[in-house]
Amino acid sequence: DAKTTQPNSMESNEEEPVHLPCNHSTISGTDYIHWYRQLPSQGPEYVIHGLTSNVNNRMASLAIAEDRKSSTLILHRATLRDAAVYYCILPIYNQGGKLIFGQGTELSVKP
Amino acid sequence: GAGVSQSPSNKVTEKGKDVELRCDPISGHTALYWYRQSLGQGLEFLIYFQGNSAPDKSGLPSDRFSAERTGGSVSTLTIQRTQQEDSAVYLCASSLVGIAGAFTDTQYFGPGTRLTVL
Repeated sequence: DAKTTQPNSMESNEEEPVHLPCNHSTISGTDYIHWYRQLPSQGPEYVIHGLTSNVNNRMASLAIAEDRKSSTLILHRATLRDAAVYYCILPIYNQGGKLIFGQGTELSVKP
Repeated sequence: GAGVSQSPSNKVTEKGKDVELRCDPISGHTALYWYRQSLGQGLEFLIYFQGNSAPDKSGLPSDRFSAERTGGSVSTLTIQRTQQEDSAVYLCASSLVGIAGAFTDTQYFGPGTRLTVL
């Protein structure tokens, strides 16, 4: 199963953009890249996913490298409510799409 | 619409007792997942249901753990003879189609049940 690696922590200032990197060098051609986040004392929530092309939704953007060995989650304007642990995951498609969570990146946002 | 709900939100029990944790998935969601999050540990997968069957139980830590799902809806996770190392937050998630759409299916998580074993 393909693994992902992320920095343990990052800091951002409120209202500034945040780029959260993820490496997945052993990704296979059919692996989708999913991002979830977990706010304090809550269950994880879905953020965004993509395969090859960059993706945008109301929460964030996902930039995927051309070789697909890395991706970046972009929060365009961080707010205090974006402080959370962000997980980059490649769901295991032949096992029901189960999610294997790594350590994730703990994002802190300073006012 | 209603999200995934779990009950109880908190459960304190004594070592050796059995506990049942309940998950109500989003209506119409075919797949259901159980995870747990221990202090200092990440989120770990426990078991996955497609409908009422559990094709993947690989994450259950021991035979004291079991789960069932009835009517393609509610699921219960049972822990027998609880041990202190079972203390954790148990999270349930559901998704629309599970294995059929696993490439793009997204999981919706409940708020979790915090289990404390004294």
